[in-house]
Amino acid sequence: QVQLQESGPRLLKPSESLSLTCTISGGSIGTYYWGWIRQAPGKGLEWIGFIYKSGSSNYNPSLKSRVALSISTSRNQFSLRLSAVTAADTAFYYCARVGYIASRPSFFDNWGQGTLVTVSS
Amino acid sequence: DIQVTQSPSSLSASVGERVTITCRTSQTVDRYLSWYQQKPGKAPRLLIYGASSLQSGVPSRFSGSGSGTHYTLTISTVQLDDFATYYCQQSYTTPTFGQGTRLEF
Repeated sequence: QVQLQESGPRLLKPSESLSLTCTISGGSIGTYYWGWIRQAPGKGLEWIGFIYKSGSSNYNPSLKSRVALSISTSRNQFSLRLSAVTAADTAFYYCARVGYIASRPSFFDNWGQGTLVTVSS
Repeated sequence: DIQVTQSPSSLSASVGERVTITCRTSQTVDRYLSWYQQKPGKAPRLLIYGASSLQSGVPSRFSGSGSGTHYTLTISTVQLDDFATYYCQQSYTTPTFGQGTRLEF
């Protein structure tokens, strides 16, 4: 059973960059896409983006100018960087494996436990 | 972006009842529709993908159906463990989630 674990700083100041890493255990990067989703406290889910082992990535248009994903097959990790954060970026950040429908990355079938990142001056 | 609207936003039920949650999309998503369950303090859990395919390990009392712009998640006989928030998600285009449906006792 694949397990995912997010790690990274949990308290940021406005204008700083958020950096999180997701470490995969019990499996490898393989031929999956890997993604990030966030959830502001008490709110709904928002897709951030996903990335393939080649480095090919797709981003939420609303965040695209501030987001970059990266991946390391040797370390079995993938990472999220979100620049110029504000209080509106305070959220639980989840990493997840992406499942396919007809070769299209479509659903999130394995999730990390999530990590709360707070942006506050 | 495709808008995803769930109804109702909250729902009261008793153990043993049949419950249906609806998800409507602003344009067809061609069955690229998934359902998740989330309990407080936990990550979401995939229940259904491709509108009606049951994820491995998910009890058979959960089922999904629909096509085009109209999809439903049904719990045939609600159990205590099912009280949670449910989200639908489309992946026909840029993935978007519904706002959630809270199933309450």
